[in-house]
Amino acid sequence: EPEVTQTPSHQVTQMGQEVILRCVPISNHLYFYWYRQILGQKVEFLVSFYNNEISEKSEIFDDQFSVERPDGSNFTLKIRSTKLEDSAMYFCASSHTEAFFGQGTRLTVV
Amino acid sequence: AQKITQTQPGMFVQEKEAVTLDCTYDTSDQSYGLFWYKQPSSGEMIFLIYQGSYDEQNATEGRYSLNFQKARKSANLVISASQLGDSAMYFCAMRLSASGTYKYIFGTGTRLKVLA
Repeated sequence: EPEVTQTPSHQVTQMGQEVILRCVPISNHLYFYWYRQILGQKVEFLVSFYNNEISEKSEIFDDQFSVERPDGSNFTLKIRSTKLEDSAMYFCASSHTEAFFGQGTRLTVV
Repeated sequence: AQKITQTQPGMFVQEKEAVTLDCTYDTSDQSYGLFWYKQPSSGEMIFLIYQGSYDEQNATEGRYSLNFQKARKSANLVISASQLGDSAMYFCAMRLSASGTYKYIFGTGTRLKVLA
């Protein structure tokens, strides 16, 4: 069964460093998303991506964040100059009708 | 305002019993989708069931059914014959579309504990 895959599953980084979270969406899906979930809290929308460009972004998705589809299969989220409060589970999703989520990347900023 | 509300932070159910997890939504859009996702302790988000706003029949997927009441703007998840493995966090989500793209918004979740 096709699935969304995310790497790494867990990333620890020092405050101020840049991280890149990687995702391989389901191959025939056209819509891609990044969400985050701070531990024990709700799932928050970050950004949606369609037709090789951002289609919508939340107020959380400021200049610290960027997304890219560097090739036909990968979809990345870059977080520059990480802060402690960026520690969260980051989910990539892709959709045709329903959204399927990856298993998440747990980012810990120390 | 577009919003999903899950009023039950936690629920208990006895194994083999049925349980209903509540979800209400608010949107002025005519076309939207409603989803339920399961998040076990391992953290992944597992798609369970989908209901389109124009679907007249309630969605069912195995032991999961979605009790869709459009006039009341509710989309409750019913899990029949609960199993210990159903213990998890459950999120209700709404898919909205604008300008040809989609966005999903989530409720705060309900933590379900199935008792042996």
